[in-house]
Amino acid sequence: GAGVSQTPSNKVTEKGKYVELRCDPISGHTALYWYRQSLGQGPEFLIYFQGTGAADDSGLPNDRFFAVRPEGSVSTLKIQRTERGDSAVYLCASSLTKTSGGERKETQYFGPGTRLLVL
Amino acid sequence: EDQVTQSPEALRLQEGESSSLNCSYTVSGLRGLFWYRQDPGKGPEFLFTLYSAGEEKEKERLKATLTKKESFLHITAPKPEDSATYLCAVQAHSNYQLIWGAGTKLIIKP
Repeated sequence: GAGVSQTPSNKVTEKGKYVELRCDPISGHTALYWYRQSLGQGPEFLIYFQGTGAADDSGLPNDRFFAVRPEGSVSTLKIQRTERGDSAVYLCASSLTKTSGGERKETQYFGPGTRLLVL
Repeated sequence: EDQVTQSPEALRLQEGESSSLNCSYTVSGLRGLFWYRQDPGKGPEFLFTLYSAGEEKEKERLKATLTKKESFLHITAPKPEDSATYLCAVQAHSNYQLIWGAGTKLIIKP
């Protein structure tokens, strides 16, 4: 079946511009995560959705970053007034949570990422 | 503070030369430890989840093990196609985000 897809695959913008990054999760996955990854580093958590609501947005670096998931499927990460330091690969992951022995277990499956370059 | 440290940063092996990658972690209540493989220009690809100390999982030439402080990814008789960056991440009971290490870049020479 289809995996997580992200568009665009690459985005070049100028400092100060607004960008939107889209994530299509695996069909039926209720949880959706955004991470960003700088060169040579592991991913860094940004925000987590359970259904339509943002269950944890503690990783968003500042109020220029915002994400939505209005129908509980596709999500859009929005960055206002972009800065050169926002340049990174933005990764989306989705998961189907299961409860086993009273413990929630899940595996996060990742998309290919959007490479954002702010000039 | 939850933290993950991976070593070495890079590892060069000859084809067929077995070795291990290390992932040391501190977390306030481990929900799970995850291993992913990442090829250049692609997203992380899931390999294993380990939930409790003593647990082991295998897939082809890879075997992951877990203790209360660290995890090892053992690679047996590697092939050039095993070349990639291997990432380790932990998930705490208190939330669902993954906390990641910086990865080990593995290069297998034919």
